[in-house]
Amino acid sequence: KNQVEQSPQSLIILEGKNCTLQCNYTVSPFSNLRWYKQDTGRGPVSLTIMTFSENTKSNGRYTATLDADTKQSSLHITASQLSDSASYICVVSPATSGTYKYIFGTGTRLKVLA
Amino acid sequence: EAGVAQSPRYKIIEKRQSVAFWCNPISGHATLYWYQQILGQGPKLLIQFQNNGVVDDSQLPKDRFSAERLKGVDSTLKIQPAKLEDSAVYLCASSTRGGGEQFFGPGTRLTVL
Repeated sequence: KNQVEQSPQSLIILEGKNCTLQCNYTVSPFSNLRWYKQDTGRGPVSLTIMTFSENTKSNGRYTATLDADTKQSSLHITASQLSDSASYICVVSPATSGTYKYIFGTGTRLKVLA
Repeated sequence: EAGVAQSPRYKIIEKRQSVAFWCNPISGHATLYWYQQILGQGPKLLIQFQNNGVVDDSQLPKDRFSAERLKGVDSTLKIQPAKLEDSAVYLCASSTRGGGEQFFGPGTRLTVL
């Protein structure tokens, strides 16, 4: 069964610190993996997208890595800011013909404190 | 470029009542998605349209939920009758094509009492 699991479920850090969020998936074969940021009361916004052949992708202070062999991805946030407080969702798309699918993780809720 | 628009933003109803949500996708986006997001969980796909045709509605509770995308642009999602467990945020997203990057609207938060 195609699944996407994220850890930790929630995380609290101090402003200025770094943190790493994890995403493990069982989707195989897969087409691409996306990380989304979802602010409270808003829809998810795409941060990064990686195909199965990419190892890393950066977007400002956000850096996503992908290990297709171990089926793991991580999202590293550098020098966290209060505005980073949000839920971060990992989404994997299976490589299938015909209908496109998106398998969503349950997200990691990050709280950045001053 | 205008984003995905949804209305209303909030809705409170009593169980067994009906409710409808509206979505206006980004202009030119052929694919439209409706998701249900229960608090603390990731979004769950309810239905996916390609233009005005249904591509995937396998997780749509068809006994109470219905959706349409007339003319392949705007879409409405209806719940009739609502149950307590339907309390969630309903997200609409669109993409230029199936498998493309999805752009999400702000969502409609539904509370069923």
